[in-house]
Amino acid sequence: EEQLVESGGGLVQPGRSLRLSCATSGFTFGDYAMSWFRQAPGKGLEWVAFIRSKEFGGTPEYAASVKGRFTISRDDSKRIAFLQMNSLKTEDTALYYCSTGEVTNWFDPWGQGTLVTVSS
Amino acid sequence: DIQMTQSPSSLSASVGDRVTITCRASQSISSYLNWYQHKSGKAPKLLIYAASTLQSGVPSRFGGSGSGTDFTLTIYSLEPEDFATYYCQQSYSTPLTFGPGTKVDIK
Repeated sequence: EEQLVESGGGLVQPGRSLRLSCATSGFTFGDYAMSWFRQAPGKGLEWVAFIRSKEFGGTPEYAASVKGRFTISRDDSKRIAFLQMNSLKTEDTALYYCSTGEVTNWFDPWGQGTLVTVSS
Repeated sequence: DIQMTQSPSSLSASVGDRVTITCRASQSISSYLNWYQHKSGKAPKLLIYAASTLQSGVPSRFGGSGSGTDFTLTIYSLEPEDFATYYCQQSYSTPLTFGPGTKVDIK
């Protein structure tokens, strides 16, 4: 069974950093692009970033709202995807989800999410 | 950026009802359209991909259709576990974008 488990969320002050992890099992991690999404309180789903598989260059893509502040990466040997979040803003407060997939794909399965709260 | 709209934004329905949700893209996205079900506090669930293909394990009461700019998700006979928020999402180009969601609740 494919599983994704996010971790690393928490309460952080504006301007600080946080690193999220997405641990996976049940599928050949290296064959898949990995993505991060988020849902702010009372809002809908928003794509944040994805990173392609090594076969397709391992290149990342970012939403405009996080470009230059967030960095997505992957460790295929440990089957983990990461989201390094720097210069956090209050508007980054959200439940962050990881999933497999990228552009032209669909996203399945998803993890349960990890909550990030940016507040002073 | 491709903008996605959905209608209605919310609806009330009864068990056994047929429910139709529409999604429109601001430009043609071919069939690069996916549908997700999301219940609060839970992982979003893929229902339909490539506009009309039912994801493995998803009940056949869910169906998708459309191409280009106009798409439809149909729940042919609503079950109690179907009360949730439904999102369409385009994967034609980055930035990947979602519709604002349609909340289906109990009448």
